[in-house]
Amino acid sequence: GDSVTQMEGPVTLSEEAFLTINCTYTATGYPSLFWYVQYPGEGLQLLLKATKADDKGSNKGFEATYRKETTSFHLEKGSVQVSDSAVYFCALSDRDTNAGKSTFGDGTTLTVKP
Amino acid sequence: DGGITQSPKYLFRKEGQNVTLSCEQNLNHDAMYWYRQDPGQGLRLIYYSQIVNDFQKGDIAEGYSVSREKKESFPLTVTSAQKNPTAFYLCASSSRSKSNEKLFFGSGTQLSVL
Repeated sequence: GDSVTQMEGPVTLSEEAFLTINCTYTATGYPSLFWYVQYPGEGLQLLLKATKADDKGSNKGFEATYRKETTSFHLEKGSVQVSDSAVYFCALSDRDTNAGKSTFGDGTTLTVKP
Repeated sequence: DGGITQSPKYLFRKEGQNVTLSCEQNLNHDAMYWYRQDPGQGLRLIYYSQIVNDFQKGDIAEGYSVSREKKESFPLTVTSAQKNPTAFYLCASSSRSKSNEKLFFGSGTQLSVL
């Protein structure tokens, strides 16, 4: 079946540092890929998505490129801020399945210190 | 503003008791979902509904029940048969059930056992 493997956390960075959170996936078809962010005590919010190979999703300085050859969708940001502290989830949704039946990674907790 | 409202934010269950978590959306979305989130883990799908008066089991439906009598509402009942109910419960919706549709999440309900 489908699966998503995320870089284990927690990750602690200083403000303005470069961020990479690795995400690799296994899927039988051609999935759509997502990054969601969860702030403490809240639900998840979509951060960015990509629906086909070589697409780059971007939002709020975060970027991720859909790499079919390496089955990866790594999240990057050039300069993190304290306000980026949150849990980040990589997810995939197979083309033949319902959007809500997405497969989620276990999440990576990011803490940014001033 | 449109969105998803979950209530209550915190809920306590006594042994042998059924409890119901509320989820209401004013986004006019057809599809709605319930997830369970345990610490350090990704989301697991409990139930989903693509249309009024219809719903399907997700990956961990045992011990839970749902109804979808109105488009806006998708309540989840945690029954006494669910032996380990302590978790963070998230409700989500999407405008359609296609795989590339993003999910909109509520802010969650933390359920604990007394």
